[in-house]
Amino acid sequence: GALVYQYPRRTICKSGTSMRMECQAVGFQATSVAWYRQSPQKTFELIALSTVNSAIKYEQNFTQEKFPISHPNLSFSSMTVLNAYLEDRGLYLCGARGDFQDTQYFGPGTRLLVL
Amino acid sequence: GQQVQQSPASLVLQEGENAELQCNFSTSLNSMQWFYQRPGGSLVSLFYNPSGTKHSGRLTSTTVIKERRSSLHISSSQTTDSGTYLCADTNAYKVIFGKGTHLHVLP
Repeated sequence: GALVYQYPRRTICKSGTSMRMECQAVGFQATSVAWYRQSPQKTFELIALSTVNSAIKYEQNFTQEKFPISHPNLSFSSMTVLNAYLEDRGLYLCGARGDFQDTQYFGPGTRLLVL
Repeated sequence: GQQVQQSPASLVLQEGENAELQCNFSTSLNSMQWFYQRPGGSLVSLFYNPSGTKHSGRLTSTTVIKERRSSLHISSSQTTDSGTYLCADTNAYKVIFGKGTHLHVLP
């Protein structure tokens, strides 16, 4: 079956430092990977959509300078939260999809705490 | 862009009662999905429901695409059903989530 793993599951970083999180697709080829954030008391919002061999598209309020994403192959993607501050706290979810799939498969998320 | 409205925002039930959760979309959609969000945050896909009615145990999802709405019915609720239920417009490339219904089932 199709599975998506995320690492780490939970992390704490000091304010102003950076934190990298990873997303791995197993059992299918992840031609597109979307990264989402759920801030405290809010729903998930899309950060960016990455499609292999295409430019990464960031949503309004999110930038490559703040959330650089790498999607080097069909099974792996990573995103870094640069210069993290309190407002970056939350659950970061990756959703991966293959060419012939109707919807995305989600990982369990990486929970980021910023001190 | 698409706005996903869920109602009610929160719901408290006595164990054994039924729950009806609603989801409305501001613009047309091709498909939608219901999720349960575990206390730790991870998502469990309950239904991928482009249209019509689907059943899974005590859960029933009904989507009327023309009316841009979907409902999730939980029958004979149990305390383990407590949590957050999210509906989403599942475009193939990005998912737009509602704010969720927070369900609390009392013993």
